[in-house]
Amino acid sequence: TQLLEQSPQFLSIQEGENLTVYCNSSSVFSSLQWYRQEPGEGPVLLVTVVTGGEVKKLKRLTFQFGDARKDSSLHITAAQPGDTGLYLCARYSSYKLIFGSGTRLLVRP
Amino acid sequence: DVKVTQSSRYLVKRTGEKVFLECVQDMDHENMFWYRQDPGLGLRLIYFSYDVKMKEKGDIPEGYSVSREKKERFSLILESASTNQTSMYLCASSAPRTASNYGYTFGSGTRLTVV
Repeated sequence: TQLLEQSPQFLSIQEGENLTVYCNSSSVFSSLQWYRQEPGEGPVLLVTVVTGGEVKKLKRLTFQFGDARKDSSLHITAAQPGDTGLYLCARYSSYKLIFGSGTRLLVRP
Repeated sequence: DVKVTQSSRYLVKRTGEKVFLECVQDMDHENMFWYRQDPGLGLRLIYFSYDVKMKEKGDIPEGYSVSREKKERFSLILESASTNQTSMYLCASSAPRTASNYGYTFGSGTRLTVV
């Protein structure tokens, strides 16, 4: 199983700040997905990135896929308390998703 | 809205009991999955199924079994619950296996405590 490493593990910031979280692997992926999991709920798919260098935006969230397709980042602009949750990256391996261990984000009002 | 529904949000069971966790999806998805989620360990795949009556072991199948008698329903069975099976259990479904860019739709999870 090829691991996905996410950093940082925990992040606590003030409302209005910007932040970036990272997802890295030693191997190339064909695509990468980002999920957000709110407390007490299951993960929800945010985005799928497929092409090296691809950038996708979802309101205040910007997702980037590395040129070599070994890493990805998620940038949040002007974070809000509603952004609080666990952010997971995931890649397909033999038609199954393998998840990173996540970045737990707390946005304080 | 498409949905994956897990039958219980919270369960408390005794050691040695047989436990059934039920999951139903209304999206006509072929693929269904059971994960457990533990702090520091992330989501770990227990079992999955690509079709009715078909099952495959994931990374941590020991102590679990599954049943898929109908396309929409995928059940996880703890044959004899133990305290180390206390966890959050998440069911998910997805589109056909050839559509590798399709995401998973997750249920809200079942938090199981074995005492």
